[in-house]
Amino acid sequence: AQKITQTQPGMFVQEKEAVTLDCTYDTSDQSYGLFWYKQPSSGEMIFLIYQGSYDEQNATEGRYSLNFQKARKSANLVISASQLGDSAMYFCAMREPNSGNTPLVFGKGTRLSVIA
Amino acid sequence: DGGITQSPKYLFRKEGQNVTLSCEQNLNHDAMYWYRQDPGQGLRLIYYSQIVNDFQKGDIAEGYSVSREKKESFPLTVTSAQKNPTAFYLCASSIVAGGYNQPQHFGDGTRLSIL
Repeated sequence: AQKITQTQPGMFVQEKEAVTLDCTYDTSDQSYGLFWYKQPSSGEMIFLIYQGSYDEQNATEGRYSLNFQKARKSANLVISASQLGDSAMYFCAMREPNSGNTPLVFGKGTRLSVIA
Repeated sequence: DGGITQSPKYLFRKEGQNVTLSCEQNLNHDAMYWYRQDPGQGLRLIYYSQIVNDFQKGDIAEGYSVSREKKESFPLTVTSAQKNPTAFYLCASSIVAGGYNQPQHFGDGTRLSIL
């Protein structure tokens, strides 16, 4: 069974609009961490945002926010005021248990295209 | 500037040849990782190392080997036993102690192709 599921292979959004990228996860651990990365066409992986399983507030970092619904095991990324430079692949990842040396497990990604 | 350096950026392998991908970090991170990325597959873990002279297999270790003789370096060898090595390879590192909310940092990747 997949640990991380991203059901949207591709998404389109108009510039300046908000967009939500879906991520659901599967774990029986109480302690886990959820991460979102952006991968532009150049290939580097850029860390965007983190949410811990014990965090009560949804994480926010500038135009990025994470809609964390623990009971539903979902951690959707919301990008507000989309920009052309947001066009990229986006990956959701999980670390379980949540300790610094545990490898991340990645979903298959969502390709976001921002239209002018 | 601190970071992770992967080299070369592009690599070509002949049939039956072993090739080695370099990964060096100056972030003083304890843990290092190798991932493989194929189109539509996301990132899959090949090997990881939490400390010098120790490493563990990931989900797709067959046909690959690693070493960790120095904290800063974690080279990956793609052996001739790996029948489908064409992919994008990403190296990453992370803090261990107290690092539960710290992300993995990635290099810029090596693109390996078969000649």
